[in-house]
Amino acid sequence: TQLLEQSPQFLSIQEGENLTVYCNSSSVFSSLQWYRQEPGEGPVLLVTVVTGGEVKKLKRLTFQFGDARKDSSLHITAAQPGDTGLYLCAGAPLGDYKLSFGAGTTVTVRA
Amino acid sequence: SAVISQKPSRDICQRGTSLTIQCQVDSQVTMMFWYRQQPGQSLTLIATANQGSEATYESGFVIDKFPISRPNLTFSTLTVSNMSPEDSSIYLCSVDVGRSTDTQYFGPGTRLTVL
Repeated sequence: TQLLEQSPQFLSIQEGENLTVYCNSSSVFSSLQWYRQEPGEGPVLLVTVVTGGEVKKLKRLTFQFGDARKDSSLHITAAQPGDTGLYLCAGAPLGDYKLSFGAGTTVTVRA
Repeated sequence: SAVISQKPSRDICQRGTSLTIQCQVDSQVTMMFWYRQQPGQSLTLIATANQGSEATYESGFVIDKFPISRPNLTFSTLTVSNMSPEDSSIYLCSVDVGRSTDTQYFGPGTRLTVL
């Protein structure tokens, strides 16, 4: 059983559409991170959310941390082919320093 | 943030041999981590490597199979010993730069294929 449940596993959408990826847990996290990984590369940090209820925006990407700090979402507006990749959520439960990763969401944006 | 490099970037190895992967960071960090990412999968933590102490291994990973060195605050190595095809994976090192969050920064990975 994974500590972080990430959904959906796969998303294939047309350029210009919106998408949302979810990351849920029954545990409380001091912070959650979102990464994007492209084939042949390591994960690249997109954002860290720290405060319950926090919303962070990175151009067309919006990240939200749940009020109880147990869940997070990533929303992409007007997706572009350059958004294609594997999106991973990760976090360390309170009192731990080791990151647990979600299973990942493979996003494909078709031109 | 931190800039991390790994060598080699990829390798194809024969069954029964060993490969040592190097990880170099551009700044001194206390905690370094080694992960495995099997094809189409997420990341699994192998061990935590702190300078001056033995590495701490996760369940399912043992020192004889994955010996780790951490000679200083900017460098670590992971050896994959007595390899089998099941060891074919991407191996990633990461660092925690020690701020208040648990954010880790990753190297580009080493893609290992065992024949």
